[in-house]
Amino acid sequence: DVQMTQSPSSLSASVGDRVTFTCRASQSLNGYLSWYQHKPGKAPKLLIYAASSLQSGVPSRFSGSGSGTDFTLTISSLQPEDFATYYCQQTYTTPLTFGQGTKLEIK
Amino acid sequence: EVQLVESGGGLIQPGGSLRLSCAASGFTVSGNYVSWVRQTPGKGLEWVAVIYSGGSTYYGDSVKGRFTISRDNSKNTVYLQMNSLRAEDTAVYYCARLYSGSYMDYWGQGTLVTVSS
Repeated sequence: DVQMTQSPSSLSASVGDRVTFTCRASQSLNGYLSWYQHKPGKAPKLLIYAASSLQSGVPSRFSGSGSGTDFTLTISSLQPEDFATYYCQQTYTTPLTFGQGTKLEIK
Repeated sequence: EVQLVESGGGLIQPGGSLRLSCAASGFTVSGNYVSWVRQTPGKGLEWVAVIYSGGSTYYGDSVKGRFTISRDNSKNTVYLQMNSLRAEDTAVYYCARLYSGSYMDYWGQGTLVTVSS
């Protein structure tokens, strides 16, 4: 199985900050990496697919990069609605796997 | 407009069975991949199962042999049959469209399954 490791597990930041999350896979994913935002009581929301493609309707302050086994999600200027938990997921091979998540909290 | 609506959750005793439904609209389940994902209390997202457009099915290690994913094309609905339920299966279960087998672009609102005596 492909193991997905996210860091950090939690992060405190302020509105307007630039933040970066990292995701490392135990094997190369050939670009099959997505990022999701999840808020309590809501359905997860797709932000980035294919490592760096912005999902339609997602603000441009979100961006993704990386290849092979190492990936990053960056929020260029945090907004109040961005405080949530962020997950990466690989869809290169089954079982599909998520990282353990990074909880973004208000400082 | 694409929509997914889950139903069938509830309280069930350990060892029991439950069937979840995921009713789709705006796309055909027969022509797409549909997946189930769960979030256990206080923990992260865990992938559960997927059914491909061709009918192939795959499962996460923790549910393999106990859960079965299927679909009814005439009802445009995907199901998750859950047997031999355990306390650790307690979670909110979401269904999602796995677009081109690559990313989950649409999600349902989730249905809560509680396994407890």
